[in-house]
Amino acid sequence: DVKVTQSSRYLVKRTGEKVFLECVQDMDHENMFWYRQDPGLGLRLIYFSYDVKMKEKGDIPEGYSVSREKKERFSLILESASTNQTSMYLCASRTETPYEQYFGPGTRLTVT
Amino acid sequence: AQSVTQPDIHITVSEGASLELRCNYSYGATPYLFWYVQSPGQGLQLLLKYFSGDTLVQGIKGFEAEFKRSQSSFNLRKPSVHWSDAAEYFCAVGIQGAQKLVFGQGTRLTINP
Repeated sequence: DVKVTQSSRYLVKRTGEKVFLECVQDMDHENMFWYRQDPGLGLRLIYFSYDVKMKEKGDIPEGYSVSREKKERFSLILESASTNQTSMYLCASRTETPYEQYFGPGTRLTVT
Repeated sequence: AQSVTQPDIHITVSEGASLELRCNYSYGATPYLFWYVQSPGQGLQLLLKYFSGDTLVQGIKGFEAEFKRSQSSFNLRKPSVHWSDAAEYFCAVGIQGAQKLVFGQGTRLTINP
């Protein structure tokens, strides 16, 4: 079975802290994604990576960065957390074709 | 740019009733089409997908969806809903050659007993 895991289900951080969200997949997928999910806005793409050390900005990259040092691991970094980054964060990995994405359980981040 | 619209933010149906969730997309060619379901506090699970061929596709949990090119729609249906179907449903579009999916805003489904 396909598996995508995220390091934390719930996180509470303070404004200004550096936050790391980790995602690991066991399917040898080259493509991995980070989304944030907010009520009424659906899923919005933050960053994605199509290979180790390769990344591309999504629709809302501001305030975030990513790291992909190994194929199975894709990290989302909030350099200085702010309250407007309180959200549900979802990681996904994807087959080459036909573009099926497999999601992790999500991390609910609260920034106070 | 491609876009996906789910016109219904929230739908309530009675258990045992039929269900149809609407999805419209904007794109010139035939995209890849997906429906995902998200139970409370969980990640997204793929229900079904369409790439080509038969325009009526069957998925898991008794769901089906029909691709209608003329209407740019990919509506999700189930003949008889169960209380466990209460969840949020997302339609998504992928473009051949593109790296990412575009998601609709989601439809929250509530089931009345």
